[in-house]
Amino acid sequence: GAVVSQHPSRVICKSGTSVKIECRSLDFQATTMFWYRQFPKQSLMLMATSNEGSKATYEQGVEKDKFLINHASLTLSTLTVTSAHPEDSSFYICSARGPIFGSGTQLSVL
Amino acid sequence: AQKVTQAQTEISVVEKEDVTLDCVYETRDTTYYLFWYKQPPSGELVFLIRRNSFDEQNEISGRYSWNFQKSTSSFNFTITASQVVDSAVYFCALSEAPVDSTLTFGKGTMLLVSP
Repeated sequence: GAVVSQHPSRVICKSGTSVKIECRSLDFQATTMFWYRQFPKQSLMLMATSNEGSKATYEQGVEKDKFLINHASLTLSTLTVTSAHPEDSSFYICSARGPIFGSGTQLSVL
Repeated sequence: AQKVTQAQTEISVVEKEDVTLDCVYETRDTTYYLFWYKQPPSGELVFLIRRNSFDEQNEISGRYSWNFQKSTSSFNFTITASQVVDSAVYFCALSEAPVDSTLTFGKGTMLLVSP
């Protein structure tokens, strides 16, 4: 069946660095992908909608300059957390149509 | 606006007990889809079921069963003869459409099954 591959599964970084998370659709094209964030012991909240070839749409309260989304091809969307800080530590997960979810990325910022 | 309420924050049962996880939703759409996901400690979301608003048939899959009642806007999930491996957080979610759609998640119910 259709699979969404997400990498890395876990990343630890120092405060101030940038982290890139990739979400790739395997064996199907995804013109739209979604990025969710989940803080510890909380629910998943939609951060942004990634559209191939155009700008992402961000939910209210999500800083677009901090969470850069690029959807340059029909199979790849990337989320870059720029100048990460400890409060950005969270579980990030993407999805494509279906919805089909990636396996998630646990980001820990020291 | 869509909303999903999972009133049970945490449920603890002993193995072999039956347990029901409640889910109540709100939507103004006549066409919508309901989901249940399991999230084990490793974090990934495991898809359990998708049900559209026009299909109120209850579903059974092994030890899992779902009761969809539009009259009460509920989509409850029952695990029969629970097992330790069922321990996880379970999320109920709602979307307007299944394709290229966003999901509105409930806050989740943590199920702890002890031996």
